[in-house]
Amino acid sequence: DAGITQSPRYKITETGRQVTLMCHQTWSHSYMFWYRQDLGHGLRLIYYSAAADITDKGEVPDGYVVSRSKTENFPLTLESATRSQTSVYFCASSEGTGDTGELFFGEGSRLTVL
Amino acid sequence: GENVEQHPSTLSVQEGDSAVIKCTYSDSASNYFPWYKQELGKRPQLIIDIRSNVGEKKDQRIAVTLNKTAKHFSLHITETQPEDSAVYFCAATGGNEKLTFGTGTRLTIIP
Repeated sequence: DAGITQSPRYKITETGRQVTLMCHQTWSHSYMFWYRQDLGHGLRLIYYSAAADITDKGEVPDGYVVSRSKTENFPLTLESATRSQTSVYFCASSEGTGDTGELFFGEGSRLTVL
Repeated sequence: GENVEQHPSTLSVQEGDSAVIKCTYSDSASNYFPWYKQELGKRPQLIIDIRSNVGEKKDQRIAVTLNKTAKHFSLHITETQPEDSAVYFCAATGGNEKLTFGTGTRLTIIP
C-alpha cells in the first residue's frame, strides 16, 4: 500500500523551463492539495481539487497549473519556472474537509530553479 | 480569508520540561483546529486536533486548548523527550473549509 507518492523527489531546472510535479494516491480520497513550504511562511496552499475535473485556487496559485482527470492523480505544472518558485512542494489528500479532513502528505518534492 | 499566526518560531526546552506553542486565528467561523508535526526531512503528520465545541483535548503527553472568545489555541507537550524535536504547525479551517496553516515552530529538546 503506497498511500500517496510524489515524483520527482528532487528536481533542478532553469528559469523559464516547464516543470511538472506528479502526485498519485491509492486511497481514492476525494480531495487533493498542493502546498509549498518555505522558511518563514509555513505551508501555503497552491491549488486543491474536490474531485476529478474540479479544481480551485488556493492562497498562492500564480504561475502554477493543475489538472485532475483521474481521482488518483493530481499533477502540478510550473509553466515557466521562476527562482521564486524554488521550494519544497507537498501533495496531500483527504477524505473530506474540516473535521473529516485529516491531510495525508506525500514525501515532498524539492525544486530548485536556477 | 483565514489568517493564522503562530508563536514562537523557535523554542528550546530541557528534556523533561513542558513546551507550549500558541496560535491565533482571525475567522470566527473557523471550527476545526489540527496540529501537524514535521520531523526533519519528513512529511507533516497529524498529531492532535480539536473542534470548536470542545475546550480541551488530551492524548498522552500532548494536549490542545481552545479559547473561541479570544480566537486562540495552544499545543502543550509535557515531559518532553528527544523525539519531540520537530517543526510543529497549527492550522484552522475557516468558513470556506480550506485549511490555513501557521508559519511553524521549530522545537528543540535539549538532552
